[in-house]
Amino acid sequence: KAGVTQTPRYLIKTRGQQVTLSCSPISGHRSVSWYQQTPGQGLQFLFEYFSETQRNKGNFPGRFSGRQFSNSRSEMNVSTLELGDSALYLCASSPGHQGATYGYTFGSGTRLTVV
Amino acid sequence: DQQVKQNSPSLSVQEGRISILNCDYTNSMFDYFLWYKKYPAEGPTFLISISSIKDKNEDGRFTVFLNKSAKHLSLHIVPSQPGDSAVYFCAYKTNTDKLIFGTGTRLQVFP
Repeated sequence: KAGVTQTPRYLIKTRGQQVTLSCSPISGHRSVSWYQQTPGQGLQFLFEYFSETQRNKGNFPGRFSGRQFSNSRSEMNVSTLELGDSALYLCASSPGHQGATYGYTFGSGTRLTVV
Repeated sequence: DQQVKQNSPSLSVQEGRISILNCDYTNSMFDYFLWYKKYPAEGPTFLISISSIKDKNEDGRFTVFLNKSAKHLSLHIVPSQPGDSAVYFCAYKTNTDKLIFGTGTRLQVFP
């Protein structure tokens, strides 16, 4: 069974630009969550999509947005990039049944550097 | 406002000894706590979880203890092995299925 695939693995962008990251979940999984990892802050929850709808949202500014397609693949977009957006962006997939006991499966992440 | 705190950013343990990783939380509304392990350049991998109705869960060398009165969680690894060297994150799962992570503890197991 293929794992969670995130593309690209690395990205360098300039301040003010926008960026789109992609995540393909495990086949059959309907939930995709996005996290930002920065040194000292751990993994911070951005948002979760389930069946093309945003089901949960973290405390990030509106510059961070996402969407999910009918095949469960998800994209995350960051507009007007700031230096502080440099981070590892991780997505995680799960079947999506609320209240289930299993953990999420993470991809290897996209390392975004804003210069 | 960090709801899950891992106050030790790093821990160094000799191979064969016990590693104890700690986690404190503030919110009492959770279903599960989970531990994840992360190697550089890889995503976190699920290690072990514990339900809010239990105080201990064991899986091989890994045991997680939950002290609800102290709002404290710990992961014990016995015996520690060099391959356990990684960053460990504790997280709790809310009733809306959000995972709230701590800041992580870097464990180094030396020979």
